[in-house]
Amino acid sequence: GENVEQHPSTLSVQEGDSAVIKCTYSDSASNYFPWYKQELGKRPQLIIDIRSNVGEKKDQRIAVTLNKTAKHFSLHITETQPEDSAVYFCAASDSWGKLQFGAGTQVVVTP
Amino acid sequence: NAGVTQTPKFQVLKTGQSMTLQCAQDMNHNSMYWYRQDPGMGLRLIYYSASEGTTDKGEVPNGYNVSRLNKREFSLRLESAAPSQTSVYFCASSKDRGGTYNSPLHFGNGTRLTVT
Repeated sequence: GENVEQHPSTLSVQEGDSAVIKCTYSDSASNYFPWYKQELGKRPQLIIDIRSNVGEKKDQRIAVTLNKTAKHFSLHITETQPEDSAVYFCAASDSWGKLQFGAGTQVVVTP
Repeated sequence: NAGVTQTPKFQVLKTGQSMTLQCAQDMNHNSMYWYRQDPGMGLRLIYYSASEGTTDKGEVPNGYNVSRLNKREFSLRLESAAPSQTSVYFCASSKDRGGTYNSPLHFGNGTRLTVT
């Protein structure tokens, strides 16, 4: 089955700097890669997603890149703000469409 | 439009007790899921229901049972709770089979379960 690895497990950045989270996946048939943000005590919420036929997608300060050949994808957050502090999860779909999640990255934005 | 609603929000059980976690969605979604979240392990799929009347095991089904009561409701039952089932449980739903671009997952607010 699909296996998703996510790094780093924690990331501390200064406000205004950029943050990058990287994930690798094992199933070459995976075709959908969402990212979820979970604030403390809240539900995971979808922030951006990408299909396998697209290499990059942007939405304001966040972007996701996908390298199918290397089987890795990344989340980029620019001009970080305190409200970006949260746990971020990457995920990849298996052949049925069930999502396999990474272990999560705790992002802390310090003023 | 409440989205995905889970009850209860918190629960403490003694080892061996049973309980049912309830989940309902009002988005007319076909597929529903139960995940557990443990520190450092992300979200792991326990059971899912691709459509009304069907259920299938996920990654970590042992110790759990589910019922897809109707299109709206999907319950998770712990028959004999164990300390290893201490976790945060999330229900989710999607329009069609989950994990696709046109059918993202929508999560409930979670149930924090402690088994002593």
